[in-house]
Amino acid sequence: QSVLTQPPSVSAAPGQKVTISCSGSSSNIGNNYVSWYQQLPGTAPKLLIYDNNKRPSGIPDRFSGSKSGTSATLGITGLQTGDEADYYCGTWDSSLSAGSFGGGTKLTVL
Amino acid sequence: EVQLVESGGGLVKPGGSLRLSCAASGFTFSSYSMNWVRQAPGKGLEWVSSISSSSSYIYYADSVKGRFTISRDNAKNSLYLQMNSLRAEDTAVYYCARDKRDYWGQGTLVTVSS
Repeated sequence: QSVLTQPPSVSAAPGQKVTISCSGSSSNIGNNYVSWYQQLPGTAPKLLIYDNNKRPSGIPDRFSGSKSGTSATLGITGLQTGDEADYYCGTWDSSLSAGSFGGGTKLTVL
Repeated sequence: EVQLVESGGGLVKPGGSLRLSCAASGFTFSSYSMNWVRQAPGKGLEWVSSISSSSSYIYYADSVKGRFTISRDNAKNSLYLQMNSLRAEDTAVYYCARDKRDYWGQGTLVTVSS
């Protein structure tokens, strides 16, 4: 059971927009930065968003992040078939003194 | 270019031990905290352990506390994970990741089976 809750799957058509939610508590999302990772099949995770809403260099602005209270959201616009992957949110849990990830969301681009 | 290369994975019997290594290059290793994250076959990511840049702060997931030991050698730009009393549920790909998990290695597979 993950500390952070994500929907198991989301889907949308090419060119459309999708959002992925990540719900936590005051000990994790509420008081720590959130990151988002993309994992393409058979590869290592890749950082998409850090510090709630910042993009590393090389990540297109189609990807965005936001946080409100104890929840965070990843947004992807202009969906492409190459965006089909598993997406994970992650943060630190101050009460547990431990890292935490969401269970992951599988994105299907129909 | 930042590179993280894990090694040391393999097949081990339940109750056995294994030591994973992560060789870092392309950045000042001694300035960054480091992490181990694992992923069981077909499952999601699970944070395992973190160590601060000078080894002053070390944290473990409850699932590995008392069995795994994280360490680093800044002179050798290397991160380690000593895994003892291994269980079937420790079977996973183990990744090392830098600091805020901005860079990841390719992972090394650990299989615990008789």
